[in-house]
Amino acid sequence: SQQGEEDPQALSIQEGENATMNCSYKTSINNLQWYRQNSGRGLVHLILIRSNEREKHSGRLRVTLDTSKKSSSLLITASRAADTASYFCATASNDYKLSFGAGTTVTVRA
Amino acid sequence: DTEVTQTPKHLVMGMTNKKSLKCEQHMGHRAMYWYKQKAKKPPELMFVYSYEKLSINESVPSRFSPECPNSSLLNLHLHALQPEDSALYLCASSQDGGQGKGYTFGSGTRLTVV
Repeated sequence: SQQGEEDPQALSIQEGENATMNCSYKTSINNLQWYRQNSGRGLVHLILIRSNEREKHSGRLRVTLDTSKKSSSLLITASRAADTASYFCATASNDYKLSFGAGTTVTVRA
Repeated sequence: DTEVTQTPKHLVMGMTNKKSLKCEQHMGHRAMYWYKQKAKKPPELMFVYSYEKLSINESVPSRFSPECPNSSLLNLHLHALQPEDSALYLCASSQDGGQGKGYTFGSGTRLTVV
């Protein structure tokens, strides 16, 4: 079942700009993960942040987690055309289930 | 090998057909998953296998039958499907149930039921 919401549903930016998307969830979690999906293909794992972490970086990606607000954000800096994709947050609990948010569609214009 | 391989990539089947989707990984991951994804929607969990045993069935209709012959293979047997079952079917694997590392997804099988 879907864990939470993502905001915005869609985002269009110019190449070189930053893209920020937010994710909210409902239950307690062990970690939160972000995935990218290009045009109806498989999902690619981007980054994982544990429940006791507040911020994490990986290349041009920055993820924050606020467990008190049950929310996370993903920032992509200096966007490129290749970043055009759908981005999903997903939460992992103790039960081997990974539950996905609704996703944000990002379009990077050249 | 760091991939999950799914076959076939595309499948068209009639409502009376029987077909199978296959998934393979050689990363030594002990958990494997089937997800269903409709257009413009997030993936929805169907089944979880942990150490080759079915551990989670998300109330999936019996016309979908999973099988895990060994730790590297996962099948999804399809029988008497409905047009609304048309979707992208994704297989994934994980080392530790997603507790410390992410899942590895295959490219999916695009299923069309006619």
